[in-house]
Amino acid sequence: EIVLTQSPATLSLSPGERATLSCRASQSVSSYLVWYQQKPGQAPRLLIYDAFKRASGIPARFSGSGSGTDFTLTISSLEPEDFVVYYCQQRSNWPLTFGGGTKVEIK
Amino acid sequence: EVHLVESGGGLVQPGGSLRLSCAASGFTFNIYAMTWVRQAPGKGLEWVSGISESGGRIYYADSVKGRFTFSRDNSKNTLYLQMNSLTAEDTAVYYCAKVGENNGDYWYFDVWGRGTLVTVSS
Repeated sequence: EIVLTQSPATLSLSPGERATLSCRASQSVSSYLVWYQQKPGQAPRLLIYDAFKRASGIPARFSGSGSGTDFTLTISSLEPEDFVVYYCQQRSNWPLTFGGGTKVEIK
Repeated sequence: EVHLVESGGGLVQPGGSLRLSCAASGFTFNIYAMTWVRQAPGKGLEWVSGISESGGRIYYADSVKGRFTFSRDNSKNTLYLQMNSLTAEDTAVYYCAKVGENNGDYWYFDVWGRGTLVTVSS
């Protein structure tokens, strides 16, 4: 099973700042890495798939990069609604796995 | 508009069974693989099971293998998750979700239901 480790667990930033979230895989997942955003009480929302492809309707301030084992989700300038939890997921191998999540909180 | 609506959750005793359903609308159901993902209270996401477009290929997480059965009825645009031998560790919100693309193994999820809560407790 591929283990995804997200860091940091919590990221404290101010609106307008740049957020950099990390997801590291225990073995290569090629570019098959996905990012979701989850707001309290809601289902996850697809942000980025296959490492860098922005999903439909996702603002350009969200971007993804990386390949192999190291991936990054960048939010270029945080909006108030961005202070929620983010998860990565790999679709390279069965079983599919998710990272533990990063919570972006207001500093 | 694409919609997924889960149902069938509730309170069940340890060792009991429950069947979840997920009704799909707004897209051509029989050409998309589908999945179940769960989230224990206050915890992260855990992938549970995935099923191919025809139902011919089904995948399970080790934590549910042998206890859960994922199926689909393409004539009714509905998914089913039969859950047996439930334990407290199965307590979670269960989400069904649609894969992002058809005609291939595109196991990322672009549409999610709102989830149904399963509580296993005596």
